[in-house]
Amino acid sequence: AQTVTQSQPEMSVQEAETVTLSCTYDTSESDYYLFWYKQPPSRQMILVIRQEAYKQQNATENRFSVNFQKAAKSFSLKISDSQLGDAAMYFCAYRAYNNNDMRFGAGTRLTVKP
Amino acid sequence: ETGVTQTPRHLVMGMTNKKSLKCEQHLGHNAMYWYKQSAKKPLELMFVYSLEERVENNSVPSRFSPECPNSSHLFLHLHTLQPEDSALYLCASSQRFPYEQYFGPGTRLTVT
Repeated sequence: AQTVTQSQPEMSVQEAETVTLSCTYDTSESDYYLFWYKQPPSRQMILVIRQEAYKQQNATENRFSVNFQKAAKSFSLKISDSQLGDAAMYFCAYRAYNNNDMRFGAGTRLTVKP
Repeated sequence: ETGVTQTPRHLVMGMTNKKSLKCEQHLGHNAMYWYKQSAKKPLELMFVYSLEERVENNSVPSRFSPECPNSSHLFLHLHTLQPEDSALYLCASSQRFPYEQYFGPGTRLTVT
């Protein structure tokens, strides 16, 4: 079974600074996708960024980027120039290429200090 | 945020009640999902429907009964629930694997 581990239950960052959220996963598959989702307080969960395992290049979406280390099974999210609106629960997720099942980590609560 | 809608947004029910949660997706997807989100626990996948057929049922108690009448609608029928079933129930949709899922806002369920 695939498991996803987020070892930081809570993180905080000063506005305009950079923060990195950690995620590790366990799998025996070679083809899979990794995701970071954001869930603001009392709001909908939305996709932040996606990484295909076969791609060596790290995905980037504006201020959000990942550090994907396939051999280490590590998938961290870096948020640059943090904004107050970045405050949310962040979930790391894994999905095998041929499987409907998406596995989520327990989440990291990010606080952004003004 | 209107691609996947869920009703009701909040529901309080007694243990002997019967109620249903509704999910609708407007994204043209062909797979839909029910998740349970409890405090301090990872999201738990409950059911998956792909092309209107149930393809996943992760040992969910029979007091939860899903229904997918077409590719745009998904229901979760609830009966004789327990207090530990209180949680946020999230619906999601996607194109068939392995693509990302799009989530609805959830139904906050409280069982008294």
